[in-house]
Amino acid sequence: SQKIEQNSEALNIQEGKTATLTCNYTNYSPAYLQWYRQDPGRGPVFLLLIRENEKEKRKERLKVTFDTTLKQSLFHITASQPADSATYLCALDGGSQGNLIFGKGTKLSVKP
Amino acid sequence: GAVVSQHPSWVICKSGTSVKIECRSLDFQATTMFWYRQFPKKSLMLMATSNEGSKATYEQGVEKDKFLINHASLTLSTLTVTSAHPEDSSFYICSAFRETQYFGPGTRLLVL
Repeated sequence: SQKIEQNSEALNIQEGKTATLTCNYTNYSPAYLQWYRQDPGRGPVFLLLIRENEKEKRKERLKVTFDTTLKQSLFHITASQPADSATYLCALDGGSQGNLIFGKGTKLSVKP
Repeated sequence: GAVVSQHPSWVICKSGTSVKIECRSLDFQATTMFWYRQFPKKSLMLMATSNEGSKATYEQGVEKDKFLINHASLTLSTLTVTSAHPEDSSFYICSAFRETQYFGPGTRLLVL
């Protein structure tokens, strides 16, 4: 069965640095991969979607890469701010009806 | 655009009672909505896929008679937790699908 792993449960960085989060998957070839942000006690918020034929996608300070050979996606937040502190979820295309398979998330803490 | 609401945002009920949670897509129509459950510090667990005008598809291990789902219109899906027990206490999140999943803010249920 498909397996998705986000390598760190938690990541602590200093304000202004670039945060890099990793998402690895096995036993699957998703058509697309997504990243969501979730704040405590709130529902996830969609950030970016990257398709299998795209290497990289950017949105403001966010950048996502998708390496289908390595079966890995990297999520970068440049010039990080304390307001970026949240849990970031990686999600793979689940194959039908828009289903998604979620990773466990990485909790990012940006210290001032 | 792509706003999803949930009501109520939190609910406390006595054991044995039923609780209904509403999920609405406010500015778009969604033929497919999803219901998730999330435990503290855990990722989202898909409970069921709700399709407008047809029966919901439940994930393995989710009791369909316990968690009743009705997708009566293209903008509304409801989840009813029947005869709720303390172990049903959790954070329930819905999403509506339009190119990707857009999530509601979640409903925290506490069963006493």
